[in-house]
Amino acid sequence: DVKVTQSSRYLVKRTGEKVFLECVQDMDHENMFWYRQDPGLGLRLIYFSYDVKMKEKGDIPEGYSVSREKKERFSLILESASTNQTSMYLCASSPGSPGEHGYTFGSGTRLTVV
Amino acid sequence: DQQVKQNSPSLSVQEGRISILNCDYTNSMFDYFLWYKKYPAEGPTFLISISSIKDKNEDGRFTVFLNKSAKHLSLHIVPSQPGDSAVYFCAFGGGSQGNLIFGKGTKLSVKP
Repeated sequence: DVKVTQSSRYLVKRTGEKVFLECVQDMDHENMFWYRQDPGLGLRLIYFSYDVKMKEKGDIPEGYSVSREKKERFSLILESASTNQTSMYLCASSPGSPGEHGYTFGSGTRLTVV
Repeated sequence: DQQVKQNSPSLSVQEGRISILNCDYTNSMFDYFLWYKKYPAEGPTFLISISSIKDKNEDGRFTVFLNKSAKHLSLHIVPSQPGDSAVYFCAFGGGSQGNLIFGKGTKLSVKP
């Protein structure tokens, strides 16, 4: 069964901490994405990557960075966590054209920053 | 500039009746139109899709309709079941987009 695995389901971090969210896919997909989901705002794209060591900013990249050292792994980094980054974070991957093939999502990480 | 509008934040339907979820879009370059379903504390799962060359696609109880002239996408669920209660997101892709663009979601509640 193909999978996108996010390392943590729930995280609680303190303001100012550096936070790492990990995502691994076993489908050999080229494309990987990080979204956050907030009530009333839907899914907003933070960063995405088409290839190893490649990254592109999404709609809301401020306060975040990413790393893709291996094809199967895409990490989201909160450089200095703030309370407005409390959210549900969703990782996704897709082969080829995302429109044609769609995404496979992970189960999400609920991050609370206190 | 909002390319996708999913204007109804919530919808309540009686079990056995039809649920109709709607999205409007402005970008005529979209080639693919998808629906995702999301339960609380889980990631979204793919439900059904349609390409721009079609106006209808059916999969069991789920039918997606595309009206390109009106730039309108809809999802029909017939008959609705309590297990269909979830948040539904429309998503759009293709053209120059390297990623999917999602609507804000509609929370569907199907009452027994």
